[in-house]
Amino acid sequence: GAGVSQTPSNKVTEKGKYVELRCDPISGHTALYWYRQSLGQGPEFLIYFQGTGAADDSGLPNDRFFAVRPEGSVSTLKIQRTERGDSAVYLCASSLRPRGTRAEAFFGQGTRLTVV
Amino acid sequence: QKEVEQNSGPLSVPEGAIASLNCTYSDRGSQSFFWYRQYSGKSPELIMFIYSNGDKEDGRFTAQLNKASQYVSLLIRDSQPSDSATYLCAVNQDGTASKLTFGTGTRLQVTL
Repeated sequence: GAGVSQTPSNKVTEKGKYVELRCDPISGHTALYWYRQSLGQGPEFLIYFQGTGAADDSGLPNDRFFAVRPEGSVSTLKIQRTERGDSAVYLCASSLRPRGTRAEAFFGQGTRLTVV
Repeated sequence: QKEVEQNSGPLSVPEGAIASLNCTYSDRGSQSFFWYRQYSGKSPELIMFIYSNGDKEDGRFTAQLNKASQYVSLLIRDSQPSDSATYLCAVNQDGTASKLTFGTGTRLQVTL
């Protein structure tokens, strides 16, 4: 596609429920990143994929968070037993390559997650 | 100490003036530096990146990097009301250009 696409754009869920957030990167981009942005803060790194594998998941806050990218394109961020503190905008970004030239990241519009 | 620091603002400049946005970072090993613009309720949009000391110009935007002082800045010439947004400074620390550490952003207001 023309840009990074994220669905849904908004998600309201009850505390304790499971949610999935989807990211469709720019066509041909091998690297995919998930960030989380809370109000008044900059984005915070969660996880990075190169192809199908998670190359760096050091930003995932705990084991309730998990992400997959089974075919090296679309990625899904999964959050189990959601807590009110998980409420934030979840941003996905992709880049043509993970390092060197053409490694700049382009962000999707984000999914605003609200846990009530 | 935060890894990437920015003044939260708001920074107010009149239309047509030069806006100067500043960012400092703590990790001397940082390799790549990015400026993103974020309008309220929207996602960050990449506007500049710089990898080497000195200046890099693109249209009305100039990024300046001084690794010795651990300082990166963004100048916006001929500021327009449409430039009013939050400007996020982001730093890459491990060679993976998009595993970024962001500052909290500086809100810029361009007044008529």
